[in-house]
Amino acid sequence: AQKITQTQPGMFVQEKEAVTLDCTYDTSDQSYGLFWYKQPSSGEMIFLIYQGSYDEQNATEGRYSLNFQKARKSANLVISASQLGDSAMYFCAMREGPEGGSQGNLIFGKGTKLSVKP
Amino acid sequence: GAVVSQHPSWVICKSGTSVKIECRSLDFQATTMFWYRQFPKQSLMLMATSNEGSKATYEQGVEKDKFLINHASLTLSTLTVTSAHPEDSSFYICSARDPLLFEQFFGPGTRLTVL
Repeated sequence: AQKITQTQPGMFVQEKEAVTLDCTYDTSDQSYGLFWYKQPSSGEMIFLIYQGSYDEQNATEGRYSLNFQKARKSANLVISASQLGDSAMYFCAMREGPEGGSQGNLIFGKGTKLSVKP
Repeated sequence: GAVVSQHPSWVICKSGTSVKIECRSLDFQATTMFWYRQFPKQSLMLMATSNEGSKATYEQGVEKDKFLINHASLTLSTLTVTSAHPEDSSFYICSARDPLLFEQFFGPGTRLTVL
């Protein structure tokens, strides 16, 4: 079974509108972290936002917010006021195990290609 | 945020040659670094976890003898693709985690083309 599922291969959004990118995860660990990364055409992986499994509040970073629904095992990314520069691949990822220490690798979903229309 | 550099950013080589890719953490000490491979329009697939001063841990299906990983210092890990073939052409990305932070930082990637 896939650990991270992103069901939207591609999404379109009008400039200045909000968009939600879906992500569901599968883990039996009680402690884990959820990440979203942006990958523009240059290939660089840009960290956007992080949510710890024990965090009670949804994470926010500027125009990015993470809609964390633990019971449903979903961690959707919401981008508000989309900009043309937001056009990129977006990957949801999970790291299992307790935070702290240097161990634990990220498991990535297949990604969603977001295109922002002017 | 922390910076991870990768060199070279792209390389073209002939089939049968070996290629070395360097990954450096510039402003923190990374006891663990990760090597990923990404085919066009696909996700990142973990190849191996590189631990400073010890042997790398390879994911299932990754040939240890083909993809040699060395993590000689807390700021440098290298991936050597030995006897490269066209099917090894891919985008290779390294990553490092600052043990004091939850974030995992990525290098800019190396695009390998084997002719």
